[in-house]
Amino acid sequence: AQKVTQAQTEISVVEKEDVTLDCVYETRDTTYYLFWYKQPPSGELVFLIRRNSFDEQNEISGRYSWNFQKSTSSFNFTITASQVVDSAVYFCALWETSGSRLTFGEGTQLTVNP
Amino acid sequence: DAEITQSPRHKITETGRQVTLACHQTWNHNNMFWYRQDLGHGLRLIHYSYGVQDTNKGEVSDGYSVSRSNTEDLPLTLESAASSQTSVYFCATSKGLAGQETQYFGPGTRLLVL
Repeated sequence: AQKVTQAQTEISVVEKEDVTLDCVYETRDTTYYLFWYKQPPSGELVFLIRRNSFDEQNEISGRYSWNFQKSTSSFNFTITASQVVDSAVYFCALWETSGSRLTFGEGTQLTVNP
Repeated sequence: DAEITQSPRHKITETGRQVTLACHQTWNHNNMFWYRQDLGHGLRLIHYSYGVQDTNKGEVSDGYSVSRSNTEDLPLTLESAASSQTSVYFCATSKGLAGQETQYFGPGTRLLVL
């Protein structure tokens, strides 16, 4: 079973729409960390957020927000009023203390059309 | 400004040749990682190091080796390149004594093995 599942392979929206990218993870650790990265068409990986397993507060940063729910093992990412520049592949990742490695989901390709 | 550089950015080689990909960081981070990115697999960990003289195998280490002789560099060597190693390779670093801190990625190296 995959440790990090991003069920949405591709999402296409029109500019100014809100969009939510789903991330479901699997772990037996009580201490773990979750991350989101953005990979724009230029190819670099850009860090967006890091959240530890003891902090379930939702986070908002400008148009970006994250909803962490341990009860459903989910760490979803919402972009409000999407823009063309948000077009990218977004990766969710899990760090488990037991595994000592960062495990990535397969990514969601987001295309924002003008 | 501190940064992570990878060289070369693009490389074409032939099957059976030895290839070394360089990763250099000026963050002074203890931890360094090598990933490969392939369609349908997200990013997968090849090798990692938590400090000088420390190296560890990741999820897909067969056919690759690393050595860590100083803090700044973690070169990745493909002992005998195979077509299956055609991929985009990313180096990453993080601070701290283990790997749970945020990983920051280099720009990547595109490797084509013919």
